[in-house]
Amino acid sequence: DTAVSQTPKYLVTQMGNDKSIKCEQNLGHDTMYWYKQDSKKFLKIMFSYNNKELIINETVPNRFSPKSPDKAHLNLHINSLELGDSAVYFCASSQESRGVQETQYFGPGTRLLVL
Amino acid sequence: GDSVTQMEGPVTLSEEAFLTINCTYTATGYPSLFWYVQYPGEGLQLLLKATKADDKGSNKGFEATYRKETTSFHLEKGSVQVSDSAVYFCALVNTGFQKLVFGTGTRLLVSP
Repeated sequence: DTAVSQTPKYLVTQMGNDKSIKCEQNLGHDTMYWYKQDSKKFLKIMFSYNNKELIINETVPNRFSPKSPDKAHLNLHINSLELGDSAVYFCASSQESRGVQETQYFGPGTRLLVL
Repeated sequence: GDSVTQMEGPVTLSEEAFLTINCTYTATGYPSLFWYVQYPGEGLQLLLKATKADDKGSNKGFEATYRKETTSFHLEKGSVQVSDSAVYFCALVNTGFQKLVFGTGTRLLVSP
């Protein structure tokens, strides 16, 4: 069983469209994340949710809106897609423990190409 | 803010050569340190980690020691294989924050 799964794996779309990426984890973790990897392989956090509550929002444009229906799911909705949104988006999850930095487990990534 | 600096790649080695990928960090407090690996076309996999000073993380023949005095977490392997070709990311998570801060990644190319 895949621990952290994402759909779709590939997403090709036109500029201006709205799209969603879904993430699910079956590890029982209570914290989930979205990271963006640009064309130079640089990885940066976008959002983090703990028990469905937003705890990290790293100056991401308002066009990006995460939604967590339950603690096993964290979806990413993107409005009015722009060329610069082309990247690989990774979902991750971890178990929060006070003062302990638990390992984050990553999904396989969603490769988004905006034309 | 917190940051991680890795050596520029690509690192090109012949099979069975010794590998070192340098990683240094800047952080307040006592972060945990990680190495993640990304094989071509795949997601990130945890390779090893260390949570406090002088800890050594190890996995699949790779090792890294958390050196607080030099703020470093260099990755080493005694004998690389072609299958080790990938991009390696050094990262940290600081106390009280759950976000991973990544280095820029180092591509390793191993030839037969």
